[in-house]
Amino acid sequence: DTGVSQNPRHKITKRGQNVTFRCDPISEHNRLYWYRQTLGQGPEFLTYFQNEAQLEKSRLLSDRFSAERPKGSFSTLEIQRTEQGDSAMYLCASSLVGTGNYGYTFGSGTRLTVV
Amino acid sequence: GQQLNQSPQSMFIQEGEDVSMNCTSSSIFNTWLWYKQEPGEGPVLLIALYKAGELTSNGRLTAQFGITRKDSFLNISASIPSDVGIYFCAGRKVSGSQGNLIFGKGTKLSVKP
Repeated sequence: DTGVSQNPRHKITKRGQNVTFRCDPISEHNRLYWYRQTLGQGPEFLTYFQNEAQLEKSRLLSDRFSAERPKGSFSTLEIQRTEQGDSAMYLCASSLVGTGNYGYTFGSGTRLTVV
Repeated sequence: GQQLNQSPQSMFIQEGEDVSMNCTSSSIFNTWLWYKQEPGEGPVLLIALYKAGELTSNGRLTAQFGITRKDSFLNISASIPSDVGIYFCAGRKVSGSQGNLIFGKGTKLSVKP
């Protein structure tokens, strides 16, 4: 296991289409996070899971966004009816809670372009 | 969304020079993290700080958790060309959620050989 894996790396979609991204965290990590990053900004929190439970959702996560982590391993982030404002880098991260180490390990991200 | 105040926004330095950057907030934090991000990649963790006043080094990098718990500093000594990238501070508020790590806007570092 070499780190957090995200697929696809790049996605170009037409406005109004649905898209789904996948994240495979570090296998022993129990927490998984989704962040969004736009140009010139730091990552912004969207949501996180502990095992399969979604524990928090940001106000940035509109009704068009849904995230799942059905078996407490990989996670998917779906955006329905995409808008141009959804264009961003979507980052996934994972961590192991309970060790006192709060450093998140990030994946390389999925860059979404809505045209 | 809420972000930390990170400065400077960008730095252009000569190879061999030392670099300092900082991050401030109006809220109290219980964790400060420093990340580096290169183009097309996710952020990579450099240093993590968990106690006020803590000073931690990672090679040529040194970071400190401010005594007031509202700020943090990162120093890079004797910079080299591969230090180029965007450096982000990130923190977890004492009153915040356990999952929400708040990021600064980043300091873009350019190193001239």
